[in-house]
Parts: sequence; structure tokens; C-alpha cells
Amino acid sequence: TQLLEQSPQFLSIQEGENLTVYCNSSSVFSSLQWYRQEPGEGPVLLVTVVTGGEVKKLKRLTFQFGDARKDSSLHITAAQPGDTGLYLCAGAGAGKSTFGDGTTLTVKP
Amino acid sequence: DAGVIQSPRHEVTEMGQEVTLRCKPISGHNSLFWYRQTMMRGLELLIYFNNNVPIDDSGMPEDRFSAKMPNASFSTLKIQPSEPRDSAVYFCASTLKLGYEQYFGPGTRLTVT
Repeated sequence: TQLLEQSPQFLSIQEGENLTVYCNSSSVFSSLQWYRQEPGEGPVLLVTVVTGGEVKKLKRLTFQFGDARKDSSLHITAAQPGDTGLYLCAGAGAGKSTFGDGTTLTVKP
Repeated sequence: DAGVIQSPRHEVTEMGQEVTLRCKPISGHNSLFWYRQTMMRGLELLIYFNNNVPIDDSGMPEDRFSAKMPNASFSTLKIQPSEPRDSAVYFCASTLKLGYEQYFGPGTRLTVT
């Protein structure tokens, strides 16, 4: 069974601060996705990373895939209240995706 | 693009009743997934289909749960009989191809009293 561990589980910060959340596994994935879920909605895809060592930027969000394709990080610069939500990583392999338990981020104004 | 459509959005039922959740995937997507999300257990994969064929149902909690995909544009998840511990948000997701990014519906919030 492929397991993805996300840390921290909960994170509460002030607007303007930077933060990093992590997604770790002992398994290798062919690709990894990050999703954000807001209350009352389904998860929405943010990015897919495929190549080991790959870095992708989406405005203030920077995503990195580990060289061995077992882990990933999401860094948010100058967080805003609109970034509040549940961040989920999902590793793809053997057809289905394995989801982590998520990091719940609260950004206070 | 209408996205993944789920109905109903909310369902409240009494223990012992049959519940049917419905999903319409994005047109052209070949794979469909059913998930259950709770605070305690997070997002759990229940079952997924590829080209309308069930591939892995190992996440289905017990025989009270069943899922069908009679055609490429429709799937159902049925719980019979329902129990209070089935209360959760049930999501349907579809993807163009297995291993690709998934697109989620808005979910069905099920409450079993």
C-alpha cells in the first residue's frame, strides 16, 4: 500500500507570512498532484509535477517534486486569507491516486 | 464545460433506508472514482472504474455499498441499508486517463440519523 504523509496537519498563520507544507512517502510515484479544497466544495487541482527535481510556480505558490519522486513540497509566499483551505497531495501510480490526509491552512487577516 | 455533476447535494435519511448517489463525469473522461471524506478518516477511495468497468473496489467498506457505471456518462453509488456511520461527504471524480489529474464534483453530504 502506498502511503502519503502530509505535514503539518494544521497550520495557522498571519497574512503576509511564508509557509511550506510537505508530502512524503516511501514509494515512488509517476506523478504527483496538489489540490486545494475549500469548505463545502470538492478538491480543485492546483498543479501536477512529473519529473524528479521539477519546480513549478503558480503565482505565489511554488511546488517541488523530490529528485527520487517520493516527496514534494508546497511553498506559499506572502500568504493571503484567500489561501485558506485544505491542501491535499496525491501520488499517481498503478492507475489510481493515493491521497494524503491533507494540511489545513488558516490565514488570518 | 459543466464539470463533474453530482446529485443530490445533500441527503438526510433514516437508518435502514436505501440511499442512491449519482454522478455524471466530464464528457470524454474514461475513468471515474468514488470517494468518501470524513474528519476522522480523510479522503478514502471507495471504488474506481475504467471504461465503465470496475477496476478496484477494495475500498468499499462492506456489502451494503455497491456501485455501478452502466455507461460512460453515469454512475451510481448505493448504500442499502444505510447506517449512521455512513454519514460523510461522498465525492465523485473523473479523469481523462488513469494516473492523470482528477476533477472532482461538489460532493453529496449524506446524513443518516
